[in-house]
Amino acid sequence: ETGVTQTPRHLVMGMTNKKSLKCEQHLGHNAMYWYKQSAKKPLELMFVYSLEERVENNSVPSRFSPECPNSSHLFLHLHTLQPEDSALYLCASSQDLIGGDKQFFGPGTRLTVL
Amino acid sequence: QKEVEKDPGPLSVPEGAIVSLNCTYSNSAFQYFMWYRQYSRKGPELLMYTYSSGNKEDGRFTAQVDKSSKYISLFIRDSQPSDSATYLCAMSDSGGSNYKLTFGKGTLLTVNP
Repeated sequence: ETGVTQTPRHLVMGMTNKKSLKCEQHLGHNAMYWYKQSAKKPLELMFVYSLEERVENNSVPSRFSPECPNSSHLFLHLHTLQPEDSALYLCASSQDLIGGDKQFFGPGTRLTVL
Repeated sequence: QKEVEKDPGPLSVPEGAIVSLNCTYSNSAFQYFMWYRQYSRKGPELLMYTYSSGNKEDGRFTAQVDKSSKYISLFIRDSQPSDSATYLCAMSDSGGSNYKLTFGKGTLLTVNP
């Protein structure tokens, strides 16, 4: 595997379910990100981790809970979601949190909340 | 006021055409400018990256930044059907939170054979 991988690629869940999204980066980077991409809206930054420490929570509802056990893995735990949370969830990584560091994205998880 | 605006889309062109994609922005602190290409059902792929003003060329792609006008452009020469994708502009500043990228909404480009 190379680059940034995400599983699952597609997820359908009910509003009462609990599920997790997984991201793994094979680039040796120290920073990882979660983004939300909704139709006709710009990408929205959700969370940022640097060396497993959360440095950004961009006013995300508590029904989204991130976890970064090490610098290569990032999870997004989901519970009691709403239909408006249906979107493409993208993981990205960069070498560090330095200005201008290039961010590399995974393929995303297409989430549908029924 | 929105931080990043893009010119209206989507865009449909014949194969071989020169394509021009643009974004305007309001934050004069932006210093890093990127273009990402996103194919359907894929994640964004970094296509072009520039710092401050000027031009950068990579094959058929040219990125231009005009900081005085707060305007960035991506030109695609000899467009191919494989260039059909959504193009996202993104930018960040040089301040303490300069890892934060501000994205435009994206322009869907279709190149017709």
